[in-house]
Parts: sequence; C-alpha cells; structure tokens
Amino acid sequence: EAEVAQSPRYKITEKSQAVAFWCDPISGHATLYWYRQILGQGPELLVQFQDESVVDDSQLPKDRFSAERLKGVDSTLKIQPAELGDSAMYLCASTPYSGGYSNEQFFGPGTRLTVL
Amino acid sequence: AQSVTQPDIHITVSEGASLELRCNYSYGATPYLFWYVQSPGQGLQLLLKYFSGDTLVQGIKGFEAEFKRSQSSFNLRKPSVHWSDAAEYFCAVAPPGGQNFVFGPGTRLSVLP
Repeated sequence: EAEVAQSPRYKITEKSQAVAFWCDPISGHATLYWYRQILGQGPELLVQFQDESVVDDSQLPKDRFSAERLKGVDSTLKIQPAELGDSAMYLCASTPYSGGYSNEQFFGPGTRLTVL
Repeated sequence: AQSVTQPDIHITVSEGASLELRCNYSYGATPYLFWYVQSPGQGLQLLLKYFSGDTLVQGIKGFEAEFKRSQSSFNLRKPSVHWSDAAEYFCAVAPPGGQNFVFGPGTRLSVLP
C-alpha cells in the first residue's frame, strides 16, 4: 500500500540552528501539505502545494520557515533559525487532485522536532 | 472562517462500552466532514468522511458518525470499544470543493481493561 514518507522521524536541535524535513507524497498525488502539530492540539496548516506551486502559505512564518517542491514531487520544509517554540510534530499529507473535491488527505508518520 | 470544536479533551471508557465523541463546526454552509485517528507518535488515519447524502456514515474499525445539520454536529460513535482504540481523535472540516482542512483540537480516548 502506497504511503507518504517522511524523514527524519525524530530531530533534536539547539535553538538558532537550521533544520530540514523531507516528505515524499504518494505517487501521483498533486497536492501536498505541511502541517505543524503542537502537543495536545490539532494539526495546523503551514503550506499547501499544487504540483510545484504554492497555493496557500498564509500561516507559514516566512521569516524563518521556507518550503519548496521544485519538481512537483517531494518537498522540503526548512526552519532557520529554530526557536524553542518550534518544538512540535511536523506532518506531511498528500491528496490527488480531483477537480475541486475535498479528497481524503493521506498523512505521513511525521517528524518530531525538539528544540533545546 | 470555518472552525471546529471538540468539547471533550479526554474521555475514558471501559473496554466493551459504547463511545461517542463530539464534534461541532462553524461554517456558513454544509462543509465536508472528516474524522481522523492518531496513535501516539504516528500520523493521522482517516476513519470516515461525509460529503453529502445519507447522514449516517460508516467507517473503518467499526466506527460510524452522524451528521446533524440542525446542530452543526458530526459525532463519532462506536458500539463496543476495544483496547486498541485508545488514541487521539480529530474532527476536521473543509469547504465543499475546497482542499483546506481545519482540524479540531482533538479528544484523547483512554480505554480501561
């Protein structure tokens, strides 16, 4: 069964350092999402891609966060510099484009980030 | 803007007992509605979804949910809970035809043996 892949699964870093997370969506899925999930809360959308284009990054803290999906397949989310408040689970999800219908989002296992 | 509330932060039930998790949403029209489950340290798995039609929706693992337009609710139910159902449950909404999901804060389910 096809799955969304994410790496690393766990990342510990010191504040002010740079970190990067990688996501490989299910093959053929045009839409890719990055979410941040703070412990005890629901996921919050950071950025949405349709193929290689950003559709929504209104909640992405652009002074320190960046995301790219250069070839419209896998994606990288970067934080530079990391702050203590960035400690969270970072989830990637994908969905096939279907002409405007809200499809199920398929989630990866997430990357647990701890900033010391 | 759409929003989702899950009034119960934590629920504890005994194995074999019935379960109902509450979800209320705020949206101008009928949104698309979803329930996801998350085991500790894992990603989210879809339990069921409602787009239109029959207001009682069947999902995986024996779960069902009922959409009640008059109450703006989409409560999740299971007649007999198993120990493996212990997890975090999230309700989510999306605008019809849109792809932007808004998740509720989640309800943590504990199951007593």
